[in-house]
Amino acid sequence: ILNVEQSPQSLHVQEGDSTNFTCSFPSSNFYALHWYRWETAKSPEALFVMTLNGDEKKKGRISATLNTKEGYSYLYIKGSQPEDSATYLCASLYNFNKFYFGSGTKLNVKP
Amino acid sequence: ETGVTQTPRHLVMGMTNKKSLKCEQHLGHNAMYWYKQSAKKPLELMFVYSLEERVENNSVPSRFSPECPNSSHLFLHLHTLQPEDSALYLCASSQDSGYEQYFGPGTRLTVT
Repeated sequence: ILNVEQSPQSLHVQEGDSTNFTCSFPSSNFYALHWYRWETAKSPEALFVMTLNGDEKKKGRISATLNTKEGYSYLYIKGSQPEDSATYLCASLYNFNKFYFGSGTKLNVKP
Repeated sequence: ETGVTQTPRHLVMGMTNKKSLKCEQHLGHNAMYWYKQSAKKPLELMFVYSLEERVENNSVPSRFSPECPNSSHLFLHLHTLQPEDSALYLCASSQDSGYEQYFGPGTRLTVT
């Protein structure tokens, strides 16, 4: 079992604040890094899939970066909105089929 | 609507029962997954099927038995479960192994 760490565990921000969280993963035999958003009472929803060192992806106000050499990814949210409140999960993929999820960062955006 | 459905949504079963969880995807994907989420633990991959063949079995006890009769359907057969198997069981599918996954709503299982 590989350890995928996410920090912080939870985060409370005001509407309009920008924020970021971290996903750390073992870099040996790494294949891809996935980010998902999981809102309460809904299913996890894919945000990004990144494979290459230095990859940067963006979707609206949310963006992510990947460093495969040191084994970390950052997720950024610019100008947080209450609808961004969710748990953000990262999952590291090894050898095509071995997914390891982190425990998630729970974000609460106050209006 | 994610295109991945799961039934039942809630299930309470005794330790001697046999039940099955069903997952169906309407996305034309080739890979399907079973995950377990226990309280305060990360999502844990249980099984991966690619083109109806099991390609990953993550050291799951034999009381959990998956079945993939075709690329749209995935079952998880349960028998003689333990109370610690109580959890949320999520199904997901992806275009191929390793691609972004689309999750179902989950089955909340309680073993009494």
